[in-house]
Amino acid sequence: DTGVSQDPRHKITKRGQNVTFRCDPISEHNRLYWYRQTLGQGPEFLTYFQNEAQLEKSRLLSDRFSAERPKGSFSTLEIQRTEQGDSAMYLCASSLAAGTPRSFFGQGTRLTVV
Amino acid sequence: SQQGEEDPQALSIQEGENATMNCSYKTSINNLQWYRQNSGRGLVHLILIRSNEREKHSGRLRVTLDTSKKSSSLLITASRAADTASYFCATVLNTGFQKLVFGTGTRLLVSP
Repeated sequence: DTGVSQDPRHKITKRGQNVTFRCDPISEHNRLYWYRQTLGQGPEFLTYFQNEAQLEKSRLLSDRFSAERPKGSFSTLEIQRTEQGDSAMYLCASSLAAGTPRSFFGQGTRLTVV
Repeated sequence: SQQGEEDPQALSIQEGENATMNCSYKTSINNLQWYRQNSGRGLVHLILIRSNEREKHSGRLRVTLDTSKKSSSLLITASRAADTASYFCATVLNTGFQKLVFGTGTRLLVSP
């Protein structure tokens, strides 16, 4: 257990539905990242928060995707009008801004769009 | 997009043997990290090597970095069945925050 928790662990949804995932980072970590991983590939960066500010978004994050981190604590990732291509593992990670630049990952949320 | 590739894509060895995985990347980096992922699970940080370092050790792990060749290797000595997992290298660029750019991974199978 790395201290980063994600909920739910698995989500099956019908195409066109909206889904929301939650990430609770390690409490003192001010940096939070979302990644997406498809089968057989390495994770790909989606977005990054420092405290409550979303400072970078990947081109992978289409306008159907939105992420928030209210009050700089937990974060949510919402996907609207899901498509089959959204099926993937969504990973959250957190780190400190200073010190050892190491990220701690949650167990991920596996999304299946049917 | 992926930063680079790992080689081999898959590796099958017997317990007690050493496993070597290689990682190549494309751009200048601040540091390179290796992560392990058990099937369907999150990633676990193994070791970090900074761009001004050439070799690091942690237990049965040895990592080398050659910035002139833009490559790194991870050696796991005296492998165990419990080492069976996917291993990813990830680079951190000099962008001011620790966004990880992952390689494609090596799937390691250690047979008893």
